[in-house]
Order: sequence, then structure tokens, then C-alpha cells
Amino acid sequence: EVQLLESGGGLVQPGGSLRLSCAASGFTFSSFAMSWVRQPPGKGLEWVSAIGSSGDSTYYADSVKGRFTISRDNSKNTLYLQMNSLRAEDTAVYYCAKCRGPSCSYFDYWGQGTLVTVSS
Amino acid sequence: EIVLTQSPGTLSLSPGERASLSCRASQSVSSSYLSWYQQKPGQAPRLLIYGASSRASGIPDRFSGSGSGTDFTLTISRLEPEDFAVYYCQQYGSSRTFGQGTKVEIK
Repeated sequence: EVQLLESGGGLVQPGGSLRLSCAASGFTFSSFAMSWVRQPPGKGLEWVSAIGSSGDSTYYADSVKGRFTISRDNSKNTLYLQMNSLRAEDTAVYYCAKCRGPSCSYFDYWGQGTLVTVSS
Repeated sequence: EIVLTQSPGTLSLSPGERASLSCRASQSVSSSYLSWYQQKPGQAPRLLIYGASSRASGIPDRFSGSGSGTDFTLTISRLEPEDFAVYYCQQYGSSRTFGQGTKVEIK
């Protein structure tokens, strides 16, 4: 059974940093691209970032480019999202998602999410 | 960036009725790159349809997807109580974007 378990969310002040983790199990982690998708409270879904299976290709939404860094450790079956220079508009539930299709064109499994709140 | 517009915003129907949800793209989307997700309150999204019309593993056959170019549709042939939820379409083109969602509520 595929499982994705996010952690690392919490309350952070504007301008601060946070690192999210996603522990994966139930599939060969090193064979799949992975992604982060976020959802502000009461709002819709927004794709944030994706990373290729080996970690050598990374992609970002314009809204987070230059502030967020996606990475992975295939030896630990773990995906990360380093978030710097956080803003109030980054407040959201952050989901880890397993990619499928050409170039991570869709997401077949999702974690339960971790809430990030950016507020003073 | 390709913008996806879903309609209607809310669909009020009774169990057993047919639901048709629309997803319109601002530019043509390859059918290979259009997917649909279901999200219930407090839960993560669940993949329903990929490649515009292929059902994901374990998805009942009352869910079907169709369309091409800029117009796509998710159809639920007969609504079951567990189908009342929010539905999102998503595309991959130069980037990945989601529609704003359609809420299917009990009438």
C-alpha cells in the first residue's frame, strides 16, 4: 500500500523558513518523480514544485521560484521542501504527491497534508 | 499559463441523478494531460481520471471523463451518497494548473 506521510508544518513568522518532509513507503520511491501541491484554507489546489526520480530535474511554480527548494533522499525514501522568505500567502495545507505520466503530468497518490501558517 | 475554468461552481443534485461537470481551458490541452480529482472535507484529493478518459485504479465505472482540446467533462452516471464532494480538473502543459473546483452537493 502506497503511503505518503508529511511532517514539518507549523506556525512561522513572515520572512521565516520551514522545511517539510514526506516519508514514502509501499512503492519504489527512486523510480518516480514527486511533487508538492498546496491548498490555502477554504480554497483550491495549487501545484508548487516537482522533482525527477533521481533528483536532477526540478520544477517550480512562479509563485515560489527562488524561495522554495525541492529535494529528495532516495536512500531514505524521503521528499523535502525547503521554504524560505515565507509570506502570508504561503499559508496552506501542503500535500506530497506521487507523480505519474510523462513529466509528472498527474498525481496518483497523495499524503494527508501538513499545515503551514505564516503569521506574526 | 493555461487557465482552467470549471462550471458550475456548485451543482445541487439528488442521489441517483446524473452529474456533468465542465472544465474549459484557456488554450488547447493535450488529452493525455488532463486529469480529474475528488476531494472530500478534511481529506486529500483522490485521482479519478487521467488522460482525459482513463479511470484510475479502484474508481467505479459510474465515473467517466471525456473531451478534447479546450473542453472536458467529468460525468457521474448515478450519484451515490459518497460522491458528494468537490471535484478539480488539472492540466499539464508548460506547467501544472488546477481548476477552481466544482462542489457537488445534496439537493
